[in-house]
Amino acid sequence: NAGVTQTPKFQVLKTGQSMTLQCAQDMNHNSMYWYRQDPGMGLRLIYYSASEGTTDKGEVPNGYNVSRLNKREFSLRLESAAPSQTSVYFCASSEGPSSYNEQFFGPGTRLTVL
Amino acid sequence: SQQGEEDPQALSIQEGENATMNCSYKTSINNLQWYRQNSGRGLVHLILIRSNEREKHSGRLRVTLDTSKKSSSLLITASRAADTASYFCATDARSWNSGNTPLVFGKGTRLSVIA
Repeated sequence: NAGVTQTPKFQVLKTGQSMTLQCAQDMNHNSMYWYRQDPGMGLRLIYYSASEGTTDKGEVPNGYNVSRLNKREFSLRLESAAPSQTSVYFCASSEGPSSYNEQFFGPGTRLTVL
Repeated sequence: SQQGEEDPQALSIQEGENATMNCSYKTSINNLQWYRQNSGRGLVHLILIRSNEREKHSGRLRVTLDTSKKSSSLLITASRAADTASYFCATDARSWNSGNTPLVFGKGTRLSVIA
């Protein structure tokens, strides 16, 4: 059981470039999440998918798009990267969307936008 | 916006001592969760306490919840160097969505346990 996997682990982009962060889980979870973590800011929710076929905005969705490709995979796309998007990005999953479910996190992707 | 806020921001103790971290939140909650993050890693769930519970234990962890004060505390007893990590509280955010309730994380307490 790999749990939640993320690719890539590190990425450097130039302003205006685009990229997609990949996330997959093998726990048959219904819900998946994308967070960003900045120093002193804790984790902030970008987008989440309560179940396959649905996506919803979180606290900081501007500049991002997501795709719930299937039950296992949830990708995050930066269409035109900006230096303000330099951050560590975490994907997480849970059995269901209820806040009673614990979330399982991936190892993170460290993104630098120059 | 942050729902929970941990206090202190950083804590440094000797191995064997107890560590206490606090979390305060703003609006009513259904439950509160605590997570640990080792440096450079993803978060790991520690414990969940429901709004109708006052105290919960898991190994060396003890969590309390005071809904009247909108606060929770995490106590780690007999700390070890391996407990060095950041600790986050997370609460649900009923104001966003009456159906699904994504977790909202605080900024964390950075704990250093010195051997």
